[in-house]
Amino acid sequence: GAVVSQHPSWVICKSGTSVKIECRSLDFQATTMFWYRQFPKQSLMLMATSNEGSKATYEQGVEKDKFLINHASLTLSTLTVTSAHPEDSSFYICSARARDQIRDEQFFGPGTRLTVL
Amino acid sequence: DAKTTQPTSMDCAEGRAANLPCNHSTISGNEYVYWYRQIHSQGPQYIIHGLKNNETNEMASLIITEDRKSSTLILPHATLRDTAVYYCIVRVNSGYSTLTFGKGTMLLVSP
Repeated sequence: GAVVSQHPSWVICKSGTSVKIECRSLDFQATTMFWYRQFPKQSLMLMATSNEGSKATYEQGVEKDKFLINHASLTLSTLTVTSAHPEDSSFYICSARARDQIRDEQFFGPGTRLTVL
Repeated sequence: DAKTTQPTSMDCAEGRAANLPCNHSTISGNEYVYWYRQIHSQGPQYIIHGLKNNETNEMASLIITEDRKSSTLILPHATLRDTAVYYCIVRVNSGYSTLTFGKGTMLLVSP
């Protein structure tokens, strides 16, 4: 299957700082990328959908000014958590949908664990 | 997208078949059944999907009832590495539909 990477795999930051998480599709072009958040013992919650070259679409309750998403190329999307606070500590997972795939599958990255002190 | 209902947890002995059920009684005619799994602290992994016919790949088999109101994911010979949360998701197979994850089934494979 297709490979999606995330960087960093984990990050610890101080409250008030900003953190950027990268999501890359390594062997395919992704027109659409998705960002999810997962709190301990809970399921994945979709935060936003981003299409290459256009603004992201955020789910209800997700602050677009706090979670900045950039999808500047067909292989890279970034999520920036601005002015992070302890309640933003979570497991952030991206996924990518291939551009030319017959089967409509989303391929997920390994996740980034964010801890805000 | 239609909602799904799965048992919270299941146990399976290593080497035996694991049969994971999923109810999706409100599924629409154009909705597919997808299965993903998530091993602890990793991203979800695609397993299999189907519309109405049974499907099989190198990982698992998917059995969908004739009325499409339920399905079963079968891992024919479960290993310890199959311990994970398994998600059954129903969605339209289009470029604009998203995956909505429920609580899934925690499958524990033990020696």
